[in-house]
Amino acid sequence: DQQVKQNSPSLSVQEGRISILNCDYTNSMFDYFLWYKKYPAEGPTFLISISSIKDKNEDGRFTVFLNKSAKHLSLHIVPSQPGDSAVYFCAASASGAGSYQLTFGKGTKLSVIP
Amino acid sequence: DAMVIQNPRYQVTQFGKPVTLSCSQTLNHNVMYWYQQKSSQAPKLLFHYYDKDFNNEADTPDNFQSRRPNTSFCFLDIRSPGLGDAAMYLCATSDGTSGLRDEQFFGPGTRLTVL
Repeated sequence: DQQVKQNSPSLSVQEGRISILNCDYTNSMFDYFLWYKKYPAEGPTFLISISSIKDKNEDGRFTVFLNKSAKHLSLHIVPSQPGDSAVYFCAASASGAGSYQLTFGKGTKLSVIP
Repeated sequence: DAMVIQNPRYQVTQFGKPVTLSCSQTLNHNVMYWYQQKSSQAPKLLFHYYDKDFNNEADTPDNFQSRRPNTSFCFLDIRSPGLGDAAMYLCATSDGTSGLRDEQFFGPGTRLTVL
């Protein structure tokens, strides 16, 4: 029973255009959301996060939007670059004493075409 | 560079033959995690250590055990691997001072094949 869903296994975007990666969640207790980026043969690396008290967080070319009522978040990459080609994982967590569990989605493979 | 190292990168074992995967870190982080990621699936947390305190996820099979002899090292032991245990095993660490707000740093993973 997936609590974090990334419904698009893959996405192709032209270099310079906007990439939008989507993520939906079902657990209303989730209050912190993260995006991780993974290159082949490497472990995931943290990209950006957002707390449920915000609806937007921006870091350079990367912006994450959170719509709590829809239980939906999205990652925008503008402008997209070939080096952004990777698998992007959405992850979520719920506050709780001693809770360290991150629940991941299955990932979306982004290909940025030069 | 401070990092999370996993050895070996590829491990082949036989059905039912115990296998140990290792993880080491130079970040001096308090928390170490083991995730299992099957093909085209989401990484799934198996357990984590906060310092020496072991925390097992409720649905982690008994076949999976872990040891953390010191801050730097953490091991994943699979006592009797089955074909369904073939997966990528990811080790991660975090500082532990801000709970889940801490960034998790991942190793490159060990891909386990069970014959």
